[in-house]
Amino acid sequence: NAGVTQTPKFQVLKTGQSMTLQCAQDMNHNSMYWYRQDPGMGLRLIYYSASEGTTDKGEVPNGYNVSRLNKREFSLRLESAAPSQTSVYFCASKGSGANVLTFGAGSRLTVL
Amino acid sequence: GQQLNQSPQSMFIQEGEDVSMNCTSSSIFNTWLWYKQDPGEGPVLLIALYKAGELTSNGRLTAQFGITRKDSFLNISASIPSDVGIYFCAGQLRSGSRLTFGEGTQLTVNP
Repeated sequence: NAGVTQTPKFQVLKTGQSMTLQCAQDMNHNSMYWYRQDPGMGLRLIYYSASEGTTDKGEVPNGYNVSRLNKREFSLRLESAAPSQTSVYFCASKGSGANVLTFGAGSRLTVL
Repeated sequence: GQQLNQSPQSMFIQEGEDVSMNCTSSSIFNTWLWYKQDPGEGPVLLIALYKAGELTSNGRLTAQFGITRKDSFLNISASIPSDVGIYFCAGQLRSGSRLTFGEGTQLTVNP
């Protein structure tokens, strides 16, 4: 049982390049989330999807887009990467009626 | 948005020592969660608290849901090197609302 799987684990981009972080969960969870983790700032919510077909902005959505492709998959896209988007990105999912998030292992992104 | 103040930001302790960290909020929460993040991994749930005053243990870890519902504490007894990592608190205002995370406590355990 894989849980939440994120790819890639590491990525280096140049300013202005685009890329998509992929996330898939095999727990039949309804809700999925994208967070970024920066030193001393904890986990900040970028976007979330409460159910298949819906997406909503979190605390720090600027510069990102998301797609809830199906119930399993929730991708995060950077259209034009900026150095301020250098961070570790975590995908998480949650089942209905639960308030406990299950996290992926993270994707470390560096924008030069 | 909601803010959780987690302290201390970092701790350096000797193996065998006890550890205590806490989170406070200006808002009342109905759920408190404690997560641990091992180096290079995602956060993993340690303890979930659902009731004011609740005291829950998980091995050497004990967490409490504050009576005021505005704070929570995590204690680790007899620390070991594998306790190293970042500990996050998270709170939920009400059922169905999003989690708010604290800034994390970085724990280093010297053998």
